[in-house]
Amino acid sequence: DAGVIQSPRHEVTEMGQEVTLRCKPISGHNSLFWYRQTMMRGLELLIYFNNNVPIDDSGMPEDRFSAKMPNASFSTLKIQPSEPRDSAVYFCASSSRLGEQYFGPGTRLTVT
Amino acid sequence: GESVGLHLPTLSVQEGDNSIINCAYSNSASDYFIWYKQESGKGPQFIIDIRSNMDKRQGQRVTVLLNKTVKHLSLQIAATQPGDSAVYFCAEKTAGGGADGLTFGKGTHLIIQP
Repeated sequence: DAGVIQSPRHEVTEMGQEVTLRCKPISGHNSLFWYRQTMMRGLELLIYFNNNVPIDDSGMPEDRFSAKMPNASFSTLKIQPSEPRDSAVYFCASSSRLGEQYFGPGTRLTVT
Repeated sequence: GESVGLHLPTLSVQEGDNSIINCAYSNSASDYFIWYKQESGKGPQFIIDIRSNMDKRQGQRVTVLLNKTVKHLSLQIAATQPGDSAVYFCAEKTAGGGADGLTFGKGTHLIIQP
């Protein structure tokens, strides 16, 4: 099993640019989660999907952030326009109905 | 100005000793708890979980204890090894039936001394 796959692993961009993070969940998992980790705030849930449908996006910081899950094997998290304070490690996780979440390796985003 | 980051509690133990990492949770409605291990540069890795209808669960070298009365969770690691060095997070989930987002604690940095 390849586990949760995220790309890119590192992203460096300039303020104002659009950033798209990608995630492929574990096959057969029906829930997908996006988290953000910073030194200031720790690990925070941004949004999650059940069966490709967004369930709770209350953790999304603001309208600059959007997430989609067009099918069971792919999700994107987009930031437009990006700002320096968006710099963080973004994790994608997936789970089956049992609840145990498996995390990907993360995308380290740096916005200059 | 100077940025202030999270000051993670640090637990330092000798290799071979047992370690206990503690976590206090805040939501009395939480019914599912997980311990994760995060090594530098990697995503959190599942260690062990426990549901609120239990007070103890054992895995390989790890034991999780749940005290719902005081809303306290602990992770015991037996015979610690250098590979156990990492940040350990407890996470909780409230009742809901399906898979919901987890609320993570701040983490504890476990350091294994040779």
